[in-house]
Amino acid sequence: GAVVSQHPSWVICKSGTSVKIECRSLDFQATTMFWYRQFPKQSLMLMATSNEGSKATYEQGVEKDKFLINHASLTLSTLTVTSAHPEDSSFYICSAPRPAGLAGEQFFGPGTRLTVL
Amino acid sequence: DAKTTQPPSMDCAEGRAANLPCNHSTISGNEYVYWYRQIHSQGPQYIIHGLKNNETNEMASLIITEDRKSSTLILPHATLRDTAVYYCIARNQAGTALIFGKGTTLSVSS
Repeated sequence: GAVVSQHPSWVICKSGTSVKIECRSLDFQATTMFWYRQFPKQSLMLMATSNEGSKATYEQGVEKDKFLINHASLTLSTLTVTSAHPEDSSFYICSAPRPAGLAGEQFFGPGTRLTVL
Repeated sequence: DAKTTQPPSMDCAEGRAANLPCNHSTISGNEYVYWYRQIHSQGPQYIIHGLKNNETNEMASLIITEDRKSSTLILPHATLRDTAVYYCIARNQAGTALIFGKGTTLSVSS
């Protein structure tokens, strides 16, 4: 079945550095992907919609200059956390809609755990 | 998307049926009811979805009331691996993002 992968699965970085997270659709094309953030014991919060070949759409309160999203191909979207700080430590999850012609469920990546020291 | 309301937590004995309720009283005619679950530290997993009729797949059954104002997800024989947070989401079928509420934390114990 359709699979979405993320890399890395976990990352630890120093405060002030930038971290790139990749989201790939492995056996289908995704013109749209979604990025979520999840803090401990909380639900998933939608951060942005990544659109292939165009600018991402950010949710209210999400800084677009801090969370850079690039959707350079039909199978890859990247989220770069720039100048990361400890408060950016979170679980980041991407998803992609199921290919057209099938019911509208979405496929989620396994998540990336970011820890900023 | 219509607002959904779920109990914050439920317990279930292993091998018994787990019945997870969801209230979506403001659901509109073109909105489907979707169920996802998230096992600790993993991405959400699709379970099932439906519009009006009851649905069943290899994972679960979905019972939707005739007025569509509520639904129940049934895991017929819960196992320890079914311990997770279960999310009920009402939305139309467009390829837009899923908006997650707080969900129900299901704890299955032996």
